[in-house]
Amino acid sequence: DAGVIQSPRHEVTEMGQEVTLRCKPISGHNSLFWYRQTMMRGLELLIYFNNNVPIDDSGMPEDRFSAKMPNASFSTLKIQPSEPRDSAVYFCASSLFGDSYEQYFGPGTRLTVT
Amino acid sequence: DAKTTQPTSMDCAEGRAANLPCNHSTISGNEYVYWYRQIHSQGPQYIIHGLKNNETNEMASLIITEDRKSSTLILPHATLRDTAVYYCIVRGDNTDKLIFGTGTRLQVFP
Repeated sequence: DAGVIQSPRHEVTEMGQEVTLRCKPISGHNSLFWYRQTMMRGLELLIYFNNNVPIDDSGMPEDRFSAKMPNASFSTLKIQPSEPRDSAVYFCASSLFGDSYEQYFGPGTRLTVT
Repeated sequence: DAKTTQPTSMDCAEGRAANLPCNHSTISGNEYVYWYRQIHSQGPQYIIHGLKNNETNEMASLIITEDRKSSTLILPHATLRDTAVYYCIVRGDNTDKLIFGTGTRLQVFP
């Protein structure tokens, strides 16, 4: 298995632009997580899905952030409009709910908003 | 979810055992202890988890005290590639949500 796939790996955009981050979970996994990591705040859980349904979005910072999971093999995290304080590394992870709950992380997307 | 407390940083000589402590004094009976690590610029990696009993796998051993208020992750023969931030996390039963703290930065030196 290729593991969790994220794209793009790096994104540089200007303030006010829309940014879309993409994630393909491991085949067969039924839970998907979006995290954000910064030096100041560490690794934060933004939202997670179980069987394509959002379960907990309490970590989503504000209405500018939205996440979707239209099917079991694809998820997006969208920021509109982007701001410099959104600059961070965004990780996607997947797991098999009910198993060991071990989460497998992708390589991350490094977002820079200028 | 119970809060965890870990030392900010630790050093370990290559080839020696690295013992990373974690305090989780408010843990409840149905909460699990998980350990992950994050090597620089990579996504976190699962290491091991346990409920009550000590656990061992090919990467590490997890020792949980009898009262479950603390645990120790043991890397039996640390290598330079084990240099990373190690996170101790308490996970509630029937949820796969993990809350990462600040972790312990382990530096393995030659």
